[in-house]
Amino acid sequence: GAGVSQSPSNKVTEKGKDVELRCDPISGHTALYWYRQSLGQGLEFLIYFQGNSAPDKSGLPSDRFSAERTGGSVSTLTIQRTQQEDSAVYLCASSPETGFNEQYFGPGTRLTVT
Amino acid sequence: SQKIEQNSEALNIQEGKTATLTCNYTNYSPAYLQWYRQDPGRGPVFLLLIRENEKEKRKERLKVTFDTTLKQSLFHITASQPADSATYLCALVTKAAGNKLTFGGGTRVLVKP
Repeated sequence: GAGVSQSPSNKVTEKGKDVELRCDPISGHTALYWYRQSLGQGLEFLIYFQGNSAPDKSGLPSDRFSAERTGGSVSTLTIQRTQQEDSAVYLCASSPETGFNEQYFGPGTRLTVT
Repeated sequence: SQKIEQNSEALNIQEGKTATLTCNYTNYSPAYLQWYRQDPGRGPVFLLLIRENEKEKRKERLKVTFDTTLKQSLFHITASQPADSATYLCALVTKAAGNKLTFGGGTRVLVKP
């Protein structure tokens, strides 16, 4: 079956511009996560959606970052007024339910802010 | 402060040998710990999960141990193959953090033929 998909795969933007990154989770997965991975680093948690519950936004680095999940499926991560330090790979993952289930990751969006 | 540490130096190993990776954590009480594999330009792929009350888990050539006293998990790849070359990430979940995974920095493994 189809895995987690993300678009675009690469995004180059100028400092100060807004960007939107999209994630399509695996159908039926109720949990959706966004992470950020800088070059050679581990994954940094950003935000977590579970069903209709309020999202856990505790990992968002600043108020320039926001995310939505529409209809319990597709999610969009928005970065406003991008800065060079926002350059990283943004990874989305979904999970069939909470608890002890593994996460299924998409291929990521590589964001470069010039 | 809370930390999850994996050896940042790459592990070079000869084909057929056993690769052993370490994941150490401080100031966490994990409910369970997961290991993922990540290839360049790709997202991580889940490999194994081990719960706090489990000492060891196996899957094919992979073995994970979990010592909550030492605050350490070991990840073993037996009979390693060049195709095992990748970065391996440990991640833990604490009861307090709900379902968020906190990842270590990963260890790169290079298996030479």
